[in-house]
Amino acid sequence: DTAVSQTPKYLVTQMGNDKSIKCEQNLGHDTMYWYKQDSKKFLKIMFSYNNKELIINETVPNRFSPKSPDKAHLNLHINSLELGDSAVYFCASSLDRMNTEAFFGQGTRLTVV
Amino acid sequence: AQSVTQLDSQVPVFEEAPVELRCNYSSSVSVYLFWYVQYPNQGLQLLLKYLSGSTLVKGINGFEAEFNKSQTSFHLRKPSVHISDTAEYFCAVSDLDSGTYKYIFGTGTRLKVLA
Repeated sequence: DTAVSQTPKYLVTQMGNDKSIKCEQNLGHDTMYWYKQDSKKFLKIMFSYNNKELIINETVPNRFSPKSPDKAHLNLHINSLELGDSAVYFCASSLDRMNTEAFFGQGTRLTVV
Repeated sequence: AQSVTQLDSQVPVFEEAPVELRCNYSSSVSVYLFWYVQYPNQGLQLLLKYLSGSTLVKGINGFEAEFNKSQTSFHLRKPSVHISDTAEYFCAVSDLDSGTYKYIFGTGTRLKVLA
């Protein structure tokens, strides 16, 4: 069983479209994250949720909206996609907000054309 | 805020040779440190972590790292590398933000093991 799973693995879409990436964890963790890895492999946190509550919101355009329907799921919706949104998006989870070890999903490679 | 520096963007090394990947972090009262590996087109896998205790930390696949507080370093080492170790390696520090720990990553080091 995959601990942290993301869908889709690859996503190619045109500029201006709206798309969603889904993430699910079966570890029973309370805290989930979205990280973005750019073309130079640099990883940066975008959001964090703890038990469905938004607790970290880095400087991210309003076009990005995370949603957590329950503590096992954290989805990322992106409106009006731009070329610069092309990246690999990683979902991660940790036991709770004070736990330092995070488990990562396989990533979603988003390409905006 | 914390920051992490990985000075070497690429490290080529011959198979069965030793390797050291360098990582330095900005100082803090307490710090938690991690090394992750990313194989091509895959997610991040935890190699090892330092939370407290012994400064020499052993991880998976024969890797180890040493926490050096005075030099604010957490270098990763392996005495003999294999072709299969070719991957991107990320050093990370866990930073407390709004009552939640989040990772601050270095820019990564690409390890290329040559036959």
